[in-house]
Order: sequence, then structure tokens, then C-alpha cells
Amino acid sequence: DIQMTQSPSSLSASVGDRVTITCRASQGISNYLAWYQQKPGKVPKLLIYAASTLQSGVPSRFSGSGSGTDFTLTISSLQPEDVATYYCQKYNSAPPTFGQGTRLEIK
Amino acid sequence: EVQLVESGGGLVKPGGSLRLSCAASGFTFSSYSMNWVRQAPGKGLEWVSSISSSSSYIYYADSVKGRFTISRDNAKNSLYLQMNSLRAEDTAVYYCARGFQRWKFGMDVWGQGTTVTVSS
Repeated sequence: DIQMTQSPSSLSASVGDRVTITCRASQGISNYLAWYQQKPGKVPKLLIYAASTLQSGVPSRFSGSGSGTDFTLTISSLQPEDVATYYCQKYNSAPPTFGQGTRLEIK
Repeated sequence: EVQLVESGGGLVKPGGSLRLSCAASGFTFSSYSMNWVRQAPGKGLEWVSSISSSSSYIYYADSVKGRFTISRDNAKNSLYLQMNSLRAEDTAVYYCARGFQRWKFGMDVWGQGTTVTVSS
């Protein structure tokens, strides 16, 4: 099975900072990569699919890039409401593995 | 409004059984694949099972294969997860989630979750 590895596991940044989270697949997955945001005590929410396509309603400060095995999620200007755990997921085939998550906090 | 509402969670003893349900509304349920994802307390997301729109294709995580059964009733707009031989490590919030692309496993709509606790 393909493993998904995120880094860092946790991150603290200041409001307005540019934040980058990376996700690496153990084998190539083309662009079948999704990013989810889970705020504390809330349900996961789809942010980005196809590695770089923003889900409807997601603020434009979020962006994704990558293909093959290496992917990034970028928040261009961190806002207080972005405090959450972020998960990548490969979704091209079963099992659709999630990364272990990156917890993002405000400094 | 597109909505998924899970039910059926609860406290069960090891070795016991539970049946989770997920009621869908606001979209054409029969056109979408569906998934179950769980999250143990303080842990990350773990995919559990997926079923295609017509139930032709079914997939399970190795951790639940042989113990859990996913099914759906398109006439009732409902998804189910029959969980047998439950173990302590099955304790989690169970989410149902809609698949957004045919033959793939991305998920664009999630329910609020139902909590399963396996304990003696």
C-alpha cells in the first residue's frame, strides 16, 4: 500500500505568515491528492482536490501544488480561523490513505 | 442543502455488534459512491470502507476486513456499516462521506459523525 507522510507534524506561525505543509507519497499518485481541514471539534472539510483545485467556497489564500510523489499545501497569509489539523489523502485507488496530519497553531 | 446524518453509535462490549446508518439528503444519492472514515480519540483520520453507487464495488481497510460490512439502499438514500466482532481499537467517531469522483476515493461532503465506544 502507498504511504502518505506529512511534514511537519505540528507548526506554529504568526498571523499573516506564509505557511507550507508538505505531503509525500511512497509511490507516484499523479495528481490524485486531496487536502482536508479539520478545525478543533469539527468535521473534516475538503479544501483542495486534484492537488491544486480549490473546492468551492475555500478562501483563495489556500493553494496546493505538486504531482507524482511530492505535494504542498500553502496558506499565503495565515488567519486566526485557519487553526486546524490538515490532512492530505491520496484518492486514486484503495486504500485511500490519509497522512498523519499537521496541527497548525497561531504563535 | 446537501446533508449526511449518521446514527447508530453507542457503547458496546468487545465482541459485540453495531449497525451504523447514514441518511443522505439534498443530492441524488444513487449517483455517488460513499465512504466510511473513522477517527479514534486524539488520532488522525482512517479510511474504513467504500461502496460504489450501485454497490458493484466494495472495499475495506485491512483492519476491518471480515468483520465490517458496508451496504447501501438507494431507494432509502441510506448507507450502512454493520460492525461485528468489535474490538477496543474500533473505538472512534465514524463519519460517512460522499465520494466526489467516480471510481475514485476523494470525499467532498461529510456527516457530523457518530461515536462508537467498545469497552467492557
